[in-house]
Parts: sequence; structure tokens; C-alpha cells
Amino acid sequence: DAEITQSPRHKITETGRQVTLACHQTWNHNNMFWYRQDLGHGLRLIHYSYGVQDTNKGEVSDGYSVSRSNTEDLPLTLESAASSQTSVYFCASSDSLSGNTIYFGEGSWLTVV
Amino acid sequence: AQTVTQSQPEMSVQEAETVTLSCTYDTSENNYYLFWYKQPPSRQMILVIRQEAYKQQNATENRFSVNFQKAAKSFSLKISDSQLGDTAMYFCAFMKLGDMRFGAGTRLTVKP
Repeated sequence: DAEITQSPRHKITETGRQVTLACHQTWNHNNMFWYRQDLGHGLRLIHYSYGVQDTNKGEVSDGYSVSRSNTEDLPLTLESAASSQTSVYFCASSDSLSGNTIYFGEGSWLTVV
Repeated sequence: AQTVTQSQPEMSVQEAETVTLSCTYDTSENNYYLFWYKQPPSRQMILVIRQEAYKQQNATENRFSVNFQKAAKSFSLKISDSQLGDTAMYFCAFMKLGDMRFGAGTRLTVKP
């Protein structure tokens, strides 16, 4: 079955370190997204991509970057981790701009100490 | 930018009763999609129901139905015959051209 997987599922890192969260989907979806979830804020969009070589900033993109070199993967990089980036991160993908089908990964718990 | 507001941080309902969760949104767009997602303690995001803005008919999925009022920009979720397994966070979401925005969520507790 097609799926979307995130790794690592749990990570503890130190302030100032670079961290990369991986997202891999086998749905062959064009659209991929990264969200962070914090108490009281629901899910907030970090970055998104409509296809290979396309990336766009979301509402909370500062301190994060993404790259899309193929259809299946959208890694999220924290250039210099800060304690404010302690959060749960969700990757998601959808099959068209119409939003017909949206799938979420299981989440990555990141703690910055 | 689109904004989604869920004005009820927490709600509770007795098992087998009906509960309605509120959601309003702000957009200047005419064509878009609206969603309700359920998030149990496992944190998995589960799609509950989906509504296309161009459809006047309210979406229904078994015990879940919506009241979509486009002019009022309102999208409430009704859960009938509430079950203990419905206990979760519920998020309302707006989507246009692949960009999805979420409300802050409503924590629903179903009491036995």
C-alpha cells in the first residue's frame, strides 16, 4: 500500500545544531507540506511544494528550509535549531491542487535542548 | 491569507448524544475546500469529512455531518450518537490550491 513516512519519529538535539526531518511518500503526489503543531495553535504551515524544484514559504517558515529534488521526498531542515522549534512536525501530501486526497504522516517529535 | 477560527477550545458530550463543533473562516476566494480532521491521543491526523465550497449540499459521513453556510463562512461539524471513541481533538481546515490552513482545534470528550 502507498504511504507517507516520516523519520526520525523522535529526536532530541542541542541548540544550534542542524537537523533534518525526512518525509517520503509513495502516493506519487505532486503536493507535499510540512506543518508544526504546538499547543493552542493547531497545525501551522511551514513550507510546501507543488512539484519537483518547487518550494514555497508558509506562515511560519523562518528558521526552516526545504528542497524538492524528486516527487517522493521533501526533507525539512532546521538550519540552527532553537528551543522555540521544539514541536511535533507533520508531513502531508495531496494528489492535486483540488485537494481530493490529503494524507498525513505520523508525526516527528523534536525536542531542542 | 485565509484564517480559520474554532471558538470552542473544549467541549464535552454524553455518550449517544449529539454535539456540534463550530468553525468559521475568512477568505475572499470563491472555490475552496473545507475539512474536519480528528486527532486522537496517538496524534494521527484522521480525515473525518470534506466539503467542496461549490457544492451546496452538506457533506455526510455516517454519524458525521456538516452545516456549511458559505455566505456566513461557517462550517460546523455535527456528531450524532456520540461514542467513547470520538474523544479526540478536532481540527477544522481550509484548503485552496493545495495550501491548507487549520484552526486551533476543539478538544472533545465523550462521557460514559
